[in-house]
Amino acid sequence: GDSVTQMEGPVTLSEEAFLTINCTYTATGYPSLFWYVQYPGEGLQLLLKATKADDKGSNKGFEATYRKETTSFHLEKGSVQVSDSAVYFCALISNTGGFKTIFGAGTRLFVKA
Amino acid sequence: DVKVTQSSRYLVKRTGEKVFLECVQDMDHENMFWYRQDPGLGLRLIYFSYDVKMKEKGDIPEGYSVSREKKERFSLILESASTNQTSMYLCASSGTGWFFGPGTRLTVL
Repeated sequence: GDSVTQMEGPVTLSEEAFLTINCTYTATGYPSLFWYVQYPGEGLQLLLKATKADDKGSNKGFEATYRKETTSFHLEKGSVQVSDSAVYFCALISNTGGFKTIFGAGTRLFVKA
Repeated sequence: DVKVTQSSRYLVKRTGEKVFLECVQDMDHENMFWYRQDPGLGLRLIYFSYDVKMKEKGDIPEGYSVSREKKERFSLILESASTNQTSMYLCASSGTGWFFGPGTRLTVL
């Protein structure tokens, strides 16, 4: 079945460091890919998305490119801030899977001042 | 600008109690979902509904039921709460986009 695998956390970085959170997927067909962020004490918010191969999603300085050849959707940010400390979830919606969204386990990011 | 609301942010119940978690969305979405979120397991789908009075089991429906009497409201019911149902519960709705509620942290003692 469809699945999403994220790098395990926690990831601890200093402010202004470069961030990469790896995400790979397995799916039939051509899924849409998403990154969600959950700040402490809050629910999930959509961070960015890409709906077809080679699309790049971007928001708030974060970017991720839909790589069909490597089945990956890695999240990157050039310079993290303390306010980026949160849990990040990679997810897919399969176009053959009805309404279900498959989520990765989440990666917790700590950014130190 | 509130889009998806959940009735409680924190809830403490005792084993065997019947528990209702309410979710309301104001975007006229047809699709609504209930997930639970546990450390290391991410989000797992419990039930979803694609229309009023319609419901479908997700990946982990055991011990739960749902009710969708009105389009804007999707309720999750724990008929007899157990300690292994202690978790964060997230409601979501989808139309042209996905929107999540703030979550309900349920503790079953």
